[in-house]
Amino acid sequence: DGGITQSPKYLFRKEGQNVTLSCEQNLNHDAMYWYRQDPGQGLRLIYYSQIVNDFQKGDIAEGYSVSREKKESFPLTVTSAQKNPTAFYLCASRDRDFGNQPQHFGDGTRLSIL
Amino acid sequence: GQNIDQPTEMTATEGAIVQINCTYQTSGFNGLFWYQQHAGEAPTFLSYNVLDGLEEKGRFSSFLSRSKGYSYLLLKELQMKDSASYLCAVKAAGNKLTFGGGTRVLVKP
Repeated sequence: DGGITQSPKYLFRKEGQNVTLSCEQNLNHDAMYWYRQDPGQGLRLIYYSQIVNDFQKGDIAEGYSVSREKKESFPLTVTSAQKNPTAFYLCASRDRDFGNQPQHFGDGTRLSIL
Repeated sequence: GQNIDQPTEMTATEGAIVQINCTYQTSGFNGLFWYQQHAGEAPTFLSYNVLDGLEEKGRFSSFLSRSKGYSYLLLKELQMKDSASYLCAVKAAGNKLTFGGGTRVLVKP
């Protein structure tokens, strides 16, 4: 089945440590997105990529980094510069050029600080 | 900047109707999406509006007025499984979606 796979489902980070969240899709979508969701809140855009080897900052990019070396993969690194990383992280993808196509989401990774 | 407002929480009875409003102020408008999100899960797509009017999909309908910067999601014949958060998201310039804070709907028996 086609879809988006995020791993791990739960992740714990020590203070001062970088961690990388995985996102893989086999939907052949050009565009991929990373969102952060805090309890009881909506989604905030961290980074997005519309094509391989290109990505743009979203609304809350500070303390995060991404890469897009392959179409199907868009990993997110939460760096030690992100002072409040505890949140639910969602990866999404969509067909780039069709306006009415919705974003498809992975099941998310819940990151907590030890 | 972008601003999207929706009520934080709503409560309704099983079998009833609930209307979730969403108002937006964005630079450019290329469509509005509604998503459903159960606690701890990924959002799932419900509806898309780009022209004024009502889109109906079974028990769910979504309405858009571009001149008023307003949309609503109507849930009819409420079921217990409809207890979830409902997210309004606007596609403005480019392919970015801006999400509202979500409306948590609690369906009571």
